[in-house]
Amino acid sequence: NAGVTQTPKFQVLKTGQSMTLQCAQDMNHEYMSWYRQDPGMGLRLIHYSVGAGITDQGEVPNGYNVSRSTTEDFPLRLLSAAPSQTSVYFCASSQKMGASPLHFGNGTRLTVT
Amino acid sequence: AQSVTQLGSHVSVSEGALVLLRCNYSSSVPPYLFWYVQYPNQGLQLLLKYTTGATLVKGINGFEAEFKKSETSFHLTKPSAHMSDAAEYFCAVTLGGSQGNLIFGKGTKLSVKP
Repeated sequence: NAGVTQTPKFQVLKTGQSMTLQCAQDMNHEYMSWYRQDPGMGLRLIHYSVGAGITDQGEVPNGYNVSRSTTEDFPLRLLSAAPSQTSVYFCASSQKMGASPLHFGNGTRLTVT
Repeated sequence: AQSVTQLGSHVSVSEGALVLLRCNYSSSVPPYLFWYVQYPNQGLQLLLKYTTGATLVKGINGFEAEFKKSETSFHLTKPSAHMSDAAEYFCAVTLGGSQGNLIFGKGTKLSVKP
């Protein structure tokens, strides 16, 4: 099983550029989420989804958009990249929100110059 | 508001020594609690979780944690550290019981000295 697959692994953007971070899971999980990890800050929730067609904001949603057209895919869009969005981004999924453990992808390291 | 506090951003132990990583939480409802481990350049992996039932939870790689409601704590322990345990460890709690998102602590980096 592939589990949670994130692409790309690395990305460098210039300020103002846009891009989409891809996330796909093959476990038929209802719940999917995006976190960003910054040194000394732990993981902070950006957006999440409890099923196809349903998304909601997390703790740090500004500057990011998501959509969930299928159960498998949950892309994260940066609308106009800023240096403050330099981070490592993790996609995670679980059977259900809350009690089920999260399965994480290997992350995307994004640098915005 | 829900929160998770991990005491000590860095912990260093000798190989064979006890590992103790501290986690305290605040929650207005009965929490679900998790410990995750992150090895360099990888995603997070589940070590163990507490949802209901027995308060002493055993996880992978010899780790265990005890849920103490009176102390609002969920500390992670391992009797004897191995070099391979060097990693960053994250405590997490659900927001709003079984319906909430996971809130993570800031992490504790564990170093193991030979």
